[in-house]
This record gives sequence, structure tokens and C-alpha cells, in this order.
Amino acid sequence: QVQLVQSGAEVRKPGASVKVSCKTSGYTFTDYYVHWVRQAPGQGLEWMGWINPNSGGTKYAQQFKGWVTMTRDTSITTAYMELSRLKSDDTAMYYCARSNIEDAFDFWGQGTMVTVSS
Amino acid sequence: QSVLTQPPSASGTPGQRVTISCSGSNSNVASNYVYWYQQLPGTAPKLLIYRNNQRPSGVPDRFSGSRSGTSASLAISGLRSEDEADYSCAAWDDSLSGYVFGTGTKVTVL
Repeated sequence: QVQLVQSGAEVRKPGASVKVSCKTSGYTFTDYYVHWVRQAPGQGLEWMGWINPNSGGTKYAQQFKGWVTMTRDTSITTAYMELSRLKSDDTAMYYCARSNIEDAFDFWGQGTMVTVSS
Repeated sequence: QSVLTQPPSASGTPGQRVTISCSGSNSNVASNYVYWYQQLPGTAPKLLIYRNNQRPSGVPDRFSGSRSGTSASLAISGLRSEDEADYSCAAWDDSLSGYVFGTGTKVTVL
């Protein structure tokens, strides 16, 4: 069965970076884009961007350009999202999600809580 | 950064029909597919409706989606206690060249 399993919760100080992993299984990794979506406490969902695991190509939401980096390692079918220069309002749950041929996010990771606090 | 507007809350008694609106613009809802996601408390979102009105396998037919112009709607008929969750719409936005989500609606079963 399709699974996306994310790395555990992280705590960082302002100005630091964080890298979250998303280990996939149960499907051909290179056939489906992986997206990253975040949700601040009590807030709505916010799309951050996607990575094409086949080519490594990426597309980032405008508000994240310059400080988010999405990568992948096809040998271990894992996608990564790194956010730099963290601020307190980057405190959020970060999700990875797979998009299917209908461009729907059909499978999601369990989420990784990132807390930014001095 | 939510570009799509939803009512913050909606409620109904078991068996009732509840409708949630999603208001966007010509660059998103009017010109691209709308998706709906259900988020139970403390869990990741789950795909509920894709391409405006299609249900993935396993989603009950009590859930239905529609779109008209710059607005979309999700209807839940025969409301059940397990439908108590947050619901968010989403669409691609041509102007932003990215996906946008709605502000989210919390559905309460009275």
C-alpha cells in the first residue's frame, strides 16, 4: 500500500535551518510528484511547492522562493524539504503529499511538527 | 496566504445536509479544477473530492462537489458524527502559478 512516512518533530532556534524527510513506499517513486504543504497552529493549509522525483525539477510557491529547497534521493525513494533562516512564524506542521494524474493530493504523510523558538 | 474564502464554521444535526462554499476568482476556481480535503482532528488531510465533483474510491456518496463560476461548494448529506472535521478547498492559481487552499471550514455535528 502507498505510504509516506515523515521524520520526527524538530525544534530549532530562529535563524537556523531544518530538513524534513518523506520516505515513500508502495508505488513507483519517480512516477508521481511530491508536494509540501504546511499548516501553522489553528491556521489553514499553505502549499509550499513540489518536486518531480524523476528529473529533480522543482517549483516553489512565490513566498518560499529563496529559502526553501526540495530534493530527493531516488535510491531510497525519499523526498526532502529544507527551510532556512527560520522565524517564529515558521512554527507549523509540515506535510508531504503525493499528487496523482488528476493533480489531486491523494496520499499524505503523517506530518512533521517544526517548532521555532529561542 | 489563503486566496480561497470559506465560512469558518458550519453545523447540522445528524441526517441533515450541510453545504460549504469556496469563493475564489477567475485565476483559480473559475479556470481550474477544485479539490476538497477533509481533516479529522489531529490527522493529515484526506482527499475527498477531485476535479470539482469526482469522488475517490472509498469516499461515501454523501459527499458531493460542484463548481459554478468563481465559486465551488461541498455538500454533505445525511450528516454523521464522524463527519465532524475541518474541510478545505484547493485549486491551482494561474496568476500565482501555484496551488492555493481555502481558509478552512470546521463542521460540527450537533
